[in-house]
Amino acid sequence: DAKTTQPPSMDCAEGRAANLPCNHSTISGNEYVYWYRQIHSQGPQYIIHGLKNNETNEMASLIITEDRKSSTLILPHATLRDTAVYYCIVRVRYDSGNTPLVFGKGTRLSVIA
Amino acid sequence: DAGVTQSPTHLIKTRGQQVTLRCSPKSGHDTVSWYQQALGQGPQFIFQYYEEEERQRGNFPDRFSGHQFPNYSSELNVNALLLGDSALYLCASSHGQRVLSGNTIYFGEGSWLTVV
Repeated sequence: DAKTTQPPSMDCAEGRAANLPCNHSTISGNEYVYWYRQIHSQGPQYIIHGLKNNETNEMASLIITEDRKSSTLILPHATLRDTAVYYCIVRVRYDSGNTPLVFGKGTRLSVIA
Repeated sequence: DAGVTQSPTHLIKTRGQQVTLRCSPKSGHDTVSWYQQALGQGPQFIFQYYEEEERQRGNFPDRFSGHQFPNYSSELNVNALLLGDSALYLCASSHGQRVLSGNTIYFGEGSWLTVV
């Protein structure tokens, strides 16, 4: 089962920041937080991941609370092309094998013109 | 740099038939995983291949089998197809076996299988 909880849907106005929350209250110290998104009928796309520090790349920013029990994915200037299902996933840092991703239901983000 | 490529993109099979789906991993990646995504659901892990061996397996019956070739490409085979096998089948690749600073998994666009 997925170890994360996300709201089922959110709306965001085009050009505004989209803030997608994720709860992972049972996260372990050796687990990363990963974010993927899936645009309709396409494969999941990697966005960003982090362990305990805030992270930023060309797509988004990831803010992880100090206790690591929740995080927020921020799309700074949402466009219509950001409409997708966003998945928050926790994944172990070290493993003897490559740990598979366990997807929940994600958040369906709708960016509105 | 080619990403993960899958073929075919769409196919229709009859109940009871067998199907083979193919995947080429992202350049430099040696680990391939397969996922099944039913309509309206998140992807579900089927199995993972590394060094031509199945390393991990999700909760899928033996009708689902796979293979990895020396060039790291992979096939997913499903025998005795059921209507419930209709789904998007996703291939994902990654590098190495140890998740160090975050061993990112990349997905292909998937193969849509319809069983009638």
